[in-house]
Order: sequence, then structure tokens, then C-alpha cells
Amino acid sequence: EIVLTQSPDTLSLSPGERATLSCRASQSLSSLAWYQHKPGQPPRLLIYGASSRAAGIPDRFSGSGSKTDFTLTISRLEPEDSAIYYCQHYSDSHPTFGQGTKVQIK
Amino acid sequence: EVQLVQSGAEVKKPGESLNISCKGIGYSFATYWIGWVRQRPGKGLEWMGVIFPRDSDTTYSPPFQGPVTISVDKSTSTVYLQWSSLKASDTAIYYCARQGAGYLDLWGQGTLVTVSS
Repeated sequence: EIVLTQSPDTLSLSPGERATLSCRASQSLSSLAWYQHKPGQPPRLLIYGASSRAAGIPDRFSGSGSKTDFTLTISRLEPEDSAIYYCQHYSDSHPTFGQGTKVQIK
Repeated sequence: EVQLVQSGAEVKKPGESLNISCKGIGYSFATYWIGWVRQRPGKGLEWMGVIFPRDSDTTYSPPFQGPVTISVDKSTSTVYLQWSSLKASDTAIYYCARQGAGYLDLWGQGTLVTVSS
């Protein structure tokens, strides 16, 4: 099983600041997605293919990386970005999620 | 509108059986994989398994192979997640999601399953 490790566990930043979330894989990946999850709502796809934004996602969200190291960047945080963010690989027939990074807006 | 609509919350006792459902609306249901994702209280997301409605091809994550069954009824565009004997540890929110090219691009609203004696 491919293990995804996200860091940090929690990020506390002010509106307008830049958030950098990391996702590290236990082996090289061909495909990675990022999701935003708010309480009481289903998760929402943000990024697929490591760097492609899903439909309707603001351009302040961007993804980068390859092989074992991936990054989700939120360029200018807004209050509504408060959520848990998960990475997920789909490189084989048993996708897995990272443990999540909680983003708190001060 | 393209959506996945899940069945309502359930409260069950340990040992009971349960089916929850996920109905695809507004798209070509048979041609997209549908997966299930578990979120236990206070925990993260876990990918459970996936089914391809057109031919019922199914893959499970190893921890879920056996404890649950994923099935489909193409005639009603509905995917099911089934337990034959629930445990307290099955208490969770269960999401169905459309799996396009591997990523999950459309999610149901979630079904809360509570297992308690």
C-alpha cells in the first residue's frame, strides 16, 4: 500500500497569507489529487493530475510536484478556506488518502 | 443537475445488517466508476472500494475486502454498500463519489451510520 504523509498537521495563518501544504508518498506516484473538506459537507475536488484545477476552483489554489513530493499552495488565504485538505493518490487500483492538513484562518 | 444522492442516516445495533445507497442523476451512470469513502468520527478519509456499473467490476481496499459488499443496480442507477453484521467500529459517515480517471470529482452528501447497542 502506498502511504501518503501530509505536513504540517495544522496550519494557522491570517487572511491574505500564503499557505503551503505538503504531501509525501512512500513510492513514486503517477497521479495525485487534492480535496478540501469542510464540516458538514462532502469533500470537494480541488486539483487532479497533481497540477490541474478542477472546474470552478479559484486560481488561488495551485498544485505542483512529481514522483514522491507534492505541494498544494493557496496563494492568498480567504476566511472560507478554513478546512481540512487531503491528498489522494490514484496510481494503482488501491488509492489512499493522506491524513489531512487542517488550515485555520486567524 | 449532475449529482449523487445518498440514502438517509441509519441507527443500527451490533450484528444487524444494513444497505445504504447512492443514486447517480444527470450523467451516463454506467460509464463512471463509483467509489465509497469512510470517515470515522474525528478521523480522516479512507478509500473503501469501487464498482464499475456497466459490468459490476469491483475492487476493494484490503481492509474492506470481506466486511462490506459493493453492488449495483443499473436499472435504477444505484450503487449499494452492504454489511451483513455491523460492529460499533462501523460508526462513520460514508460518502459515495464518482471516480473518473482515478480522482473523485463528484460526491454524494454522505450517509451517517451509527452502530450502538
